[in-house]
Amino acid sequence: DADVTQTPRNRITKTGKRIMLECSQTKGHDRMYWYRQDPGLGLRLIYYSFDVKDINKGEISDGYSVSRQAQAKFSLSLESAIPNQTALYFCATSDKYTAGTDTQYFGPGTRLTVL
Amino acid sequence: RKEVEQDPGPFNVPEGATVAFNCTYSNSASQSFFWYRQDCRKEPKLLMSVYSSGNEDGRFTAQLNRASQYISLLIRDSKLSDSATYLCVVSLGGSYIPTFGRGTSLIVHP
Repeated sequence: DADVTQTPRNRITKTGKRIMLECSQTKGHDRMYWYRQDPGLGLRLIYYSFDVKDINKGEISDGYSVSRQAQAKFSLSLESAIPNQTALYFCATSDKYTAGTDTQYFGPGTRLTVL
Repeated sequence: RKEVEQDPGPFNVPEGATVAFNCTYSNSASQSFFWYRQDCRKEPKLLMSVYSSGNEDGRFTAQLNRASQYISLLIRDSKLSDSATYLCVVSLGGSYIPTFGRGTSLIVHP
């Protein structure tokens, strides 16, 4: 089984709908992240969480919210989806920093289309 | 100036060629450096960490130049399966979030 899973893998929705993307991990990592990827723009950080009680905004948090339900679960919500939120969304995890080992492990991605 | 910059390419090379990518970073306090590989529409995966002394993994060699603030990735004897986007990642460590470059596209053709 994959260490980092995302559901759904693909979603098509309409403008104004509320959408939740879910991420689960079995790696036992404290840190979890949500990114979006758009062609030509690379990965951009939306939110991140260093533990269950810690939530931080990333580079592009407007229009998104998150919930860290447990160490293993980190959900991303689009309260009212808009077409420019069409993108590939990745969840990632990492362990607490130990020199040179803050490697991030990514889920398979969720392809979201907002019509 | 962007924190982490990469030439987007694409680098179009024949099988067997040697190809090198560079990545520059702006923060001299950066502590950790990585190369990730991303196949089309797939998740990024760690290719290798980059150590101060440089490191090699088979056909792949990564080097760090702190004085000039860049890291490099050298791929020898390119294979068709090396076709992918290579992401440079730089981290300040601790509670800082790693910064990803936009990636360099490599296409290896027969």
